[in-house]
Amino acid sequence: SQQGEEDPQALSIQEGENATMNCSYKTSINNLQWYRQNSGRGLVHLILIRSNEREKHSGRLRVTLDTSKKSSSLLITASRAADTASYFCATDPFTGANSKLTFGKGITLSVRP
Amino acid sequence: GAVVSQHPSRVICKSGTSVKIECRSLDFQATTMFWYRQFPKQSLMLMATSNEGSKATYEQGVEKDKFLINHASLTLSTLTVTSAHPEDSSFYICSARHPSRAFFGQGTRLTVV
Repeated sequence: SQQGEEDPQALSIQEGENATMNCSYKTSINNLQWYRQNSGRGLVHLILIRSNEREKHSGRLRVTLDTSKKSSSLLITASRAADTASYFCATDPFTGANSKLTFGKGITLSVRP
Repeated sequence: GAVVSQHPSRVICKSGTSVKIECRSLDFQATTMFWYRQFPKQSLMLMATSNEGSKATYEQGVEKDKFLINHASLTLSTLTVTSAHPEDSSFYICSARHPSRAFFGQGTRLTVV
């Protein structure tokens, strides 16, 4: 079942602008992860934030987590045309090799050159 | 980072035939692998959890006899779509956790004609 719900479902911005994507979830988590998928390809891990963390940075990515609201946001700063892809949040009930991630519906980001 | 390799990337088969998809962890051992199905512009739907040396665990609504999973070694899991029909046409993706992140194969585009 899909737990994560991202919004907006689609986002179109100009190169150089920032892109903010939101994710809400329903159950308790150990961590939340964001992934990116280029059309017709597998997913690539972007960033992981644990339930006891509130904010994390990685390059042009900034992710926040509010466990009281069961929500997370992913900010991509200074977007590039190459950032065009689908982005998914995934919730992890516990960490480990056999833990099942539950993916949201995804956000389609288009960055116009 | 860890690498998961999936083959083939594309396959076209005739209705009624079977198709095998391979998923390999190239530089780490994966006792558990996950198989997903993705419809166009939709999220990943977990089909089953593949466990090395034991039976796979299927999600509700997924036919075990239709989608045969074998995880014979710590680096290889296979998904066989048996007696394929056009409605089985989809994008199939495998993944393995290492240790917290999920690493995905490139995906297999299956078209049943």
